[in-house]
Amino acid sequence: GAVVSQHPSWVICKSGTSVKIECRSLDFQATTMFWYRQFPKQSLMLMATSNEGSKATYEQGVEKDKFLINHASLTLSTLTVTSAHPEDSSFYICSAPKLAGGVFTDTQYFGPGTRLTVL
Amino acid sequence: KNEVEQSPQNLTAQEGEFITINCSYSVGISALHWLQQHPGGGIVSLFMLSSGKKKHGRLIATINIQEKHSSLHITASHPRDSAVYICAARGRDDKIIFGKGTRLHILP
Repeated sequence: GAVVSQHPSWVICKSGTSVKIECRSLDFQATTMFWYRQFPKQSLMLMATSNEGSKATYEQGVEKDKFLINHASLTLSTLTVTSAHPEDSSFYICSAPKLAGGVFTDTQYFGPGTRLTVL
Repeated sequence: KNEVEQSPQNLTAQEGEFITINCSYSVGISALHWLQQHPGGGIVSLFMLSSGKKKHGRLIATINIQEKHSSLHITASHPRDSAVYICAARGRDDKIIFGKGTRLHILP
């Protein structure tokens, strides 16, 4: 079946550095991918919608200059956390809806997530 | 604005018990997902529903569109079912709103 992968699965970095997280759809094309963030013991929150070939759409309160999203191909979206700080430590998850005949189906595939720890 | 409410927030049960987790949402949706999140964070998609009922092994998911309500049932629960179960509603704008999750702990 369709699979969405994320890389890395976990990362530890120093404050001030940038971290790139990849989200790949492995056997289907995803013109749209969604990025979520989950703080400990809290619900998943949608951060942004990544659109292939165009700018990402960010949710209210999410800084687009801090969380850079690039969706350069139909199977890859990247989220770069720039100048990361300890408060950015979180669990980041992507998902991709599957298209059928050019129309979104209801099927949404989730990546396994990336745990970011900023020291 | 779509809001997703889950109940209970926490549930502890003995092995073998029948488990029910409820989810209510406030606006029209195109699909509802039930997700399982294990310690460490990895998410597994259990069901995607737009109507009726689905069954997979010991798991059953139902949805009532008119009442804007869905339930996840686990029959013959087992300690390995211990996880956080998350209800997620996909709105007609394709955005997904997540419930806060139900933390299930099955005692052996």
